[in-house]
Formats: sequence, structure tokens, C-alpha cells
Amino acid sequence: ETGVTQSPTHLIKTRGQQVTLRCSSQSGHNTVSWYQQALGQGPQFIFQYYREEENGRGNFPPRFSGLQFPNYSSELNVNALELDDSALYLCASSLGWGSGDTQYFGPGTRLTVL
Amino acid sequence: DAKTTQPNSMESNEEEPVHLPCNHSTISGTDYIHWYRQLPSQGPEYVIHGLTSNVNNRMASLAIAEDRKSSTLILHRATLRDAAVYYCILRDRVSNFGNEKLTFGTGTRLTIIP
Repeated sequence: ETGVTQSPTHLIKTRGQQVTLRCSSQSGHNTVSWYQQALGQGPQFIFQYYREEENGRGNFPPRFSGLQFPNYSSELNVNALELDDSALYLCASSLGWGSGDTQYFGPGTRLTVL
Repeated sequence: DAKTTQPNSMESNEEEPVHLPCNHSTISGTDYIHWYRQLPSQGPEYVIHGLTSNVNNRMASLAIAEDRKSSTLILHRATLRDAAVYYCILRDRVSNFGNEKLTFGTGTRLTIIP
């Protein structure tokens, strides 16, 4: 069984640029959630995709957008990058069964905005 | 979102039990209590979860107070590999159907002393 993978591992961009981060969910999982983790903080929920539809969103502006594909892999897109977007971006996949559902996290993509 | 309160940091000696406390006085009747941990340079990983009864698995035990306003994660015999940030989380619903998000606090940084 393959776990959650993310690419790239590290990324350096400049302010104003756009970035796409990718996530492959664990086999059989139909739900992908994205989180942003600033240095020294806990992860913050960005949004969730369930069967290719956005199923909820945290307190992030519209320049954070995403997609989920038929194989349940997912992309996170960030437009007009700002310095404060520098963070570890985590994706997590799950079976989508509700409150007892476990989320499985990938290792994250470290984004640095200069 | 229902909130949890945890100590910022704790220390424990190797091979001794560790009790990590969490207060969640505003928990609702349907909130599950989840614990995740994040080892250095990794994404969070699931540890254990419960609703009302105490729970055990190969990693840890979860003791839930009778009024559910607090819980304790118990590591029975800490090793150096248990050094991590431990997050106590109440599962929040993303939408009125389907899945839940994780609302992370700042967690407890556990240091294991050899």
C-alpha cells in the first residue's frame, strides 16, 4: 500500500508568481485535505476535496485554489504569491467516513517566497 | 470551532510512561477526540482517537474523563523516537455532509531525555 506522496519537496518562488503543488492520495481514499503550516505553528486547514468537488474551505483567500482528479490525486494552486505564503504545505487523504475517520498526511512541500 | 488547551512543552525520561493532558471544556456530544503527532521534518501522523470510552492501540492509550471535558494521551514506555509535537484535536465538520477537518492548536512539544 502506497502512502500519501507530495511533490515537489522544496520550492523557491518570488513574490507575485504562481505555484502548483501536487498530492497523490493513499490508495482507495476519496478525500484530500490541504493544510498550511507556518514555522512554529500547527497546520491550518485550507480546503478539502471529496470526489472531485470542494467540500469545505478554511479562512484562506480565493488566490488559493485546488483541483481533485478522477484518480483522487489533487493539486493546490496559489496565485500572486506573498511573502507570508512561505510555509510547509501538507496534504492528507482519508476515506471520508466522518468523525472517526483518520487522515493520513504526506511529508509536505516546503515553499519559500522571496 | 471547539478548542483544546495543551501545555506548550513537556519532558520525560526514556523508558518511563508519559501522560500528555488536554482540556476541551466546550466539547460537544458528537465530537471525537483525536491525537496526532508530528515528528521533526515530517507530516503529522495519527496516534489514536476516541469518543467516550478509554481506548488502547499499539502506539498509546487514550483516557477520557467521564464528563469528556479533558483527556490524557498515555505513552506507556517512551523512547527517543517518541520525541515530537503532540496535537489534541476535536474533529470539526467541514460541511453538513461527509467529512471533517482537523483544527490544530500549537500542541505539546515532548522531549525525551536519554
